[in-house]
Amino acid sequence: EVQLVESGGGLVPPGGSLRLSCAASGFTFSDYSMNWVRQAPGKGLEWVSYINSNSGTIYYADSVRGRFTISRDNAKNSLYLQMNSLRDEDTAVYYCARDRPSTYCSSTSCPRMDVWGQGTTVTVSS
Amino acid sequence: DVVMTQSPLSLPVTLGQPASISCRSSQSLVYSDGNTYLNWFQQRPGQSPRRLIYKVSNRDSGVPDRFSGSGSGTDFTLKISRVEAEDVGVYYCMQQTHWPRTFGQGTKVEIK
Repeated sequence: EVQLVESGGGLVPPGGSLRLSCAASGFTFSDYSMNWVRQAPGKGLEWVSYINSNSGTIYYADSVRGRFTISRDNAKNSLYLQMNSLRDEDTAVYYCARDRPSTYCSSTSCPRMDVWGQGTTVTVSS
Repeated sequence: DVVMTQSPLSLPVTLGQPASISCRSSQSLVYSDGNTYLNWFQQRPGQSPRRLIYKVSNRDSGVPDRFSGSGSGTDFTLKISRVEAEDVGVYYCMQQTHWPRTFGQGTKVEIK
């Protein structure tokens, strides 16, 4: 079964740090790019960061650039998000989602943000 | 950034009746390869998002055929031909053509 499982969320004071993990199984993790997407309480979805399969291409949302760092360990089938200088507005459920370049899309399949984890909750509060 | 604007934001529907959600982008979503990378996601209460539609109109495996996507360029629509109780939730459009990736605000579908 294709699965993504996030962990590492918790309560952290403003200015603190946290490291999220996303464990992949059921597919060849090293073939896929990955994303982090978050959802503040009662709000919509916000894309946070992207990393390609070999960590050679990385993107961040403006709201987290310079504070968050995405990384991966293909040998451990794991994705990470190091979050520093946390703010109240970073409070959210954080999801990981797999992805692939557009060349892998056809009319019958398109492995781009097609599988998501169950999310891990980050609360930034004093 | 590409702004994705959904309407309506709230959609009360009678069971068995159709529903339609609009999504408009501030720029064309046609990618350099000629394809349009517009997805639709469903998020049921307490659950993670689930992709329903990719590349404007292609249904994911296991998605009921009462769901359909259409549109081109900057104007897209998700239709539910006959709403069922399990369709309650929030629906999001999302573009994967431009960086950063952006979502619509979400449309909450509820039963009247």
